[in-house]
Amino acid sequence: DAGVIQSPRHEVTEMGQEVTLRCKPISGHNSLFWYRQTMMRGLELLIYFNNNVPIDDSGMPEDRFSAKMPNASFSTLKIQPSEPRDSAVYFCASSSHSGGFTDTQYFGPGTRLTVL
Amino acid sequence: GQQVMQIPQYQHVQEGEDFTTYCNSSTTLSNIQWYKQRPGGHPVFLIQLVKSGEVKKQKRLTFQFGEAKKNSSLHITATQTTDVGTYFCAGNDYKLSFGAGTTVTVRA
Repeated sequence: DAGVIQSPRHEVTEMGQEVTLRCKPISGHNSLFWYRQTMMRGLELLIYFNNNVPIDDSGMPEDRFSAKMPNASFSTLKIQPSEPRDSAVYFCASSSHSGGFTDTQYFGPGTRLTVL
Repeated sequence: GQQVMQIPQYQHVQEGEDFTTYCNSSTTLSNIQWYKQRPGGHPVFLIQLVKSGEVKKQKRLTFQFGEAKKNSSLHITATQTTDVGTYFCAGNDYKLSFGAGTTVTVRA
């Protein structure tokens, strides 16, 4: 099993640019989570999908952030326009439970985003 | 909303010594999960506790869930250099909330 795949692994961009982060969950998993990790705020849940449907997006910081899951094997997190305070490591995680958070979450390697 | 507090934030341990990290929730949890993140890596699931008062062991790691299902602890005995990293608890209420983590460094 390849595990959760994220791309790119590193992204450096300038303020105001659009950034798209990509995630491929583990095959067969039907829950997908996007997290952001910073030194100041720790690990924060941004959004959670179940069966490709967004269930809880209360952690999405503002309208500049959007996430989609067009099918069971792909999700994107987009930031437009990006700002320096968006610099963080963004993790995608997937799990196999249909009801929420009771199963193990498998994290991808993360995307380290730097906004200059 | 649910808050999960984890202490200490940092733990500097002499190799061979024991230490404990604690996790406290503001609400009663349905279960609690523990993850470990090595420096530069991603969180990796260690264990899940579900029952009140549950105790589980993984080699030198002992995990405990409180009777009220609002707190948990991770105790590591005879710390080794391979234990370096950040240990997160994640409380499961209606969603998973991660604590701030305990970052462990080991003096050889």
